[in-house]
Amino acid sequence: DARVTQTPRDKVTEMGQEVTMRCQPILGHNTVFWYRQTMMQGLELLAYFRNRAPLDDSGMPKDRFSAEMPDATLATLKIQPSEPRDSAVYFCASGRTVGEETQYFGPGTRLLVL
Amino acid sequence: GENVEQHPSTLSVQEGDSAVIKCTYSDSASNYFPWYKQELGKRPQLIIDIRSNVGEKKDQRIAVTLNKTAKHFSLHITETQPEDSAVYFCAASGNTPLVFGKGTRLSVIA
Repeated sequence: DARVTQTPRDKVTEMGQEVTMRCQPILGHNTVFWYRQTMMQGLELLAYFRNRAPLDDSGMPKDRFSAEMPDATLATLKIQPSEPRDSAVYFCASGRTVGEETQYFGPGTRLLVL
Repeated sequence: GENVEQHPSTLSVQEGDSAVIKCTYSDSASNYFPWYKQELGKRPQLIIDIRSNVGEKKDQRIAVTLNKTAKHFSLHITETQPEDSAVYFCAASGNTPLVFGKGTRLSVIA
C-alpha cells in the first residue's frame, strides 16, 4: 500500500531559525502539493509541482517560504526565518495530475515556532 | 477561481442515525468531487468521490450525490458509528488543484 511520507513528523524551533520539511511522493505520481492546515484557515494550498516544475506558489509568503523538488522522489518546503505565526501542520500530497484526480496526503509535519 | 462552501461546520448525531454534509461550488467547469475524512492527528484520507457524469455513488454506509445544475453535492452517512467521528472535507476541481471546503466536525454520540 504505497503512501506519501513526510519528515520530520514534529518540529519545535525558535523564532528566526530555518525549518526544512521533506516529502516523498508516491512512486509514479508526478504532481506534488504542499498544504498548511490551521484551525482558523483550514487547508491552504501553498504550492504545487508537476514533473518537478513549480506551477504555482502564490499561496506562499514569498519572502520566507521556498519549495523545491530536487528530484522526482523528494520535495522540500523551507521556512527562513521562521515566525510563531508559521505554527501549523504542513501536509504534502501527491497525485497523477493537477486536477480531476485524487490527491493522497502524507502524515504531515506539525511545526511549532516559539 | 473555484470557491467551495461547506455546511454545517459542526454536526452531532446519535449513534445509528444518519448524517448529511452539504457543499456548494462556484465553477461550472469543476467535474471531480472527492470527500476526505480526517481523524484527530491524522492525515486527510479519501473516503468517496464522484465525477460529473454521475449523479450518485454509494459505498456501504456512505453515499454522495451531485446536482450539477445547482452546483451542490452532499455526503450521506447512514447507521453512524462512533468511529465515524472525524472532520470531513469536501473538495472540487476541474483542471486546477482541488479546492477544499472548511470542513465539518462530526461527532457520533454513543
